[in-house]
Amino acid sequence: GAGVSQSPRYKVAKRGQDVALRCDPISGHVSLFWYQQALGQGPEFLTYFQNEAQLDKSGLPSDRFFAERPEGSVSTLKIQRTQQEDSAVYLCASSPDRALGAFFGQGTRLTVV
Amino acid sequence: AQSVAQPEDQVNVAEGNPLTVKCTYSVSGNPYLFWYVQYPNRGLQFLLKYITGDNLVKGSYGFEAEFNKSQTSFHLKKPSALVSDSALYFCAVRPNNAGNMLTFGGGTRLMVKP
Repeated sequence: GAGVSQSPRYKVAKRGQDVALRCDPISGHVSLFWYQQALGQGPEFLTYFQNEAQLDKSGLPSDRFFAERPEGSVSTLKIQRTQQEDSAVYLCASSPDRALGAFFGQGTRLTVV
Repeated sequence: AQSVAQPEDQVNVAEGNPLTVKCTYSVSGNPYLFWYVQYPNRGLQFLLKYITGDNLVKGSYGFEAEFNKSQTSFHLKKPSALVSDSALYFCAVRPNNAGNMLTFGGGTRLMVKP
């Protein structure tokens, strides 16, 4: 596709459930980022991949959060044992050059009940 | 660590009037600065960036921003606002010498009234 694609668009999870969020970046983009956007706030950095290598995961809030990009294209953000404070929009972005701005997907809105 | 401040939660302007959305930043070293716009139920859309060179940067949809190093500001401007410009605007910064992630401000909601 022409842009960054994320699925699902919406996810409702019961507290304690595991979830997996998918990101299809723009073809050929080397860099991939995950951000978390809480209601009424700006996005906050979670993790960064350059190809298949996870170069920065300093923003992951706990060890319940795990991201992977095994073949350097599609990425999955997994959250184990979801908690209510995990409710947010999870944004994926990709970039052809790590030095420049990124193209964002529409996000996955996660609601933990 | 870097930070971004958008001091106004909301900016109201009449259609046809000039608009300014304020942004100040704190970063070690020289900054890369960005503006993004977010429409309801849509992802962030890139508007413009400052990397180096001319302090006045022109971007999409008639928007521009001026980098002011002494005031550590990067205010977003448009000479004549449109109702369709109503959206949420985010300023972001990244140091040019370290790190890869963008640090975002809290966002400013722009309301343009007919």
